[in-house]
Amino acid sequence: NAGVTQTPKFQVLKTGQSMTLQCAQDMNHEYMSWYRQDPGMGLRLIHYSVGAGITDQGEVPNGYNVSRSTTEDFPLRLLSAAPSQTSVYFCASSPGQSNQPQHFGDGTRLSIL
Amino acid sequence: GENVEQHPSTLSVQEGDSAVIKCTYSDSASNYFPWYKQELGKGPQLIIDIRSNVGEKKDQRIAVTLNKTAKHFSLHITETQPEDSAVYFCAASEGNMLTFGGGTRLMVKP
Repeated sequence: NAGVTQTPKFQVLKTGQSMTLQCAQDMNHEYMSWYRQDPGMGLRLIHYSVGAGITDQGEVPNGYNVSRSTTEDFPLRLLSAAPSQTSVYFCASSPGQSNQPQHFGDGTRLSIL
Repeated sequence: GENVEQHPSTLSVQEGDSAVIKCTYSDSASNYFPWYKQELGKGPQLIIDIRSNVGEKKDQRIAVTLNKTAKHFSLHITETQPEDSAVYFCAASEGNMLTFGGGTRLMVKP
């Protein structure tokens, strides 16, 4: 049972490039979410999904897109990377809504030059 | 939206002492309050949680208290050990959104 798997673990991009951060869970969880973690600011919610085909914006959605075509996968897309998007990104999942224990992946460290 | 404040930002204790971390929240609709521990290079891990219909919850050396009227909740760790050293986050949720505090770096000195 792998839990929540994030790939890649590290990535360096140039300003303006695009990329997709992958997240997969094998626990059949309905709720999945993406956070970014910046020093001294805790984790901030970017986007979330309450089930396949349903996504919604969190606290800091600008510059990011998501889709949820299957229960297992919830990719996060940066269409045109900016230095302000340099951060550590975490994906999480839970059986129902966010008011249930969430399981986090180990993160993707992203640097935008 | 919800706003969660967490204090202190750093906390240093001697092994065996107790540690207390406090959080306040703004949205009275929040009804779920988890605490996460994050070790270096890892994702946050849930250590304990409490719901708004409960005032206190204990799990071995860890306890959480909730005061709904004052909108604050606290994490208590007794008999601290070096392996308790990590960053701790509180959070509050009212359904689909989980809002985190800024984190507390706990250092337990042997």
